[in-house]
Amino acid sequence: AAGVIQSPRHLIKEKRETATLKCYPIPRHDTVYWYQQGPGQDPQFLISFYEKMQSDKGSIPDRFSAQQFSDYHSELNMSSLELGDSALYFCATKGVSYNEQFFGPGTRLTVL
Amino acid sequence: DQQVKQNSPSLSVQEGRISILNCDYTNSMFDYFLWYKKYPAEGPTFLISISSIKDKNEDGRFTVFLNKSAKHLSLHIVPSQPGDSAVYFCAASDSGGSNYKLTFGKGTLLTVNP
Repeated sequence: AAGVIQSPRHLIKEKRETATLKCYPIPRHDTVYWYQQGPGQDPQFLISFYEKMQSDKGSIPDRFSAQQFSDYHSELNMSSLELGDSALYFCATKGVSYNEQFFGPGTRLTVL
Repeated sequence: DQQVKQNSPSLSVQEGRISILNCDYTNSMFDYFLWYKKYPAEGPTFLISISSIKDKNEDGRFTVFLNKSAKHLSLHIVPSQPGDSAVYFCAASDSGGSNYKLTFGKGTLLTVNP
């Protein structure tokens, strides 16, 4: 079965650079969530979209923005990167008939 | 403050025996609970869930029990297998107003010894 696709899987950036992470949901899933997992930490909710509209916002820095496109894929844009942004970034998607979120493999971002 | 707590960072069990992973929550608005399994360098994999209108949900070797009055849930795996070795995250959501965003516990590393 098709799963959630995230790209890139690994990304290395310098401080103050920008990064764009992409998420392609499971077909017919209309809700996308972004989570950040720091080393040894639990995943923390950043932001979510439902039908291309932002539906909820968590602990997302103002330097980050995200959107969901007409094909339901989503992009997380991160600017002025800081060392503390180094983490695993997971995208999860949910269909209208389900309460469960299905996660992608994650993007490991390293900021040097 | 940690709204979902997994107080055991690790658990070691013999193959064939029962694994019991525990989770406590503090937010009374949570009404949907999920367990995810995570291997290193992979995303969390959904295992089983339970709504607050139930006190038990079973799927094969996995059973989740919910005690709402105690704000406690547990995941039972029986029989445990070496392939079950992974980090298990408990997660909770408030379906009423938060669009099902998940709040996670810090995870429990389960090791199943052959």
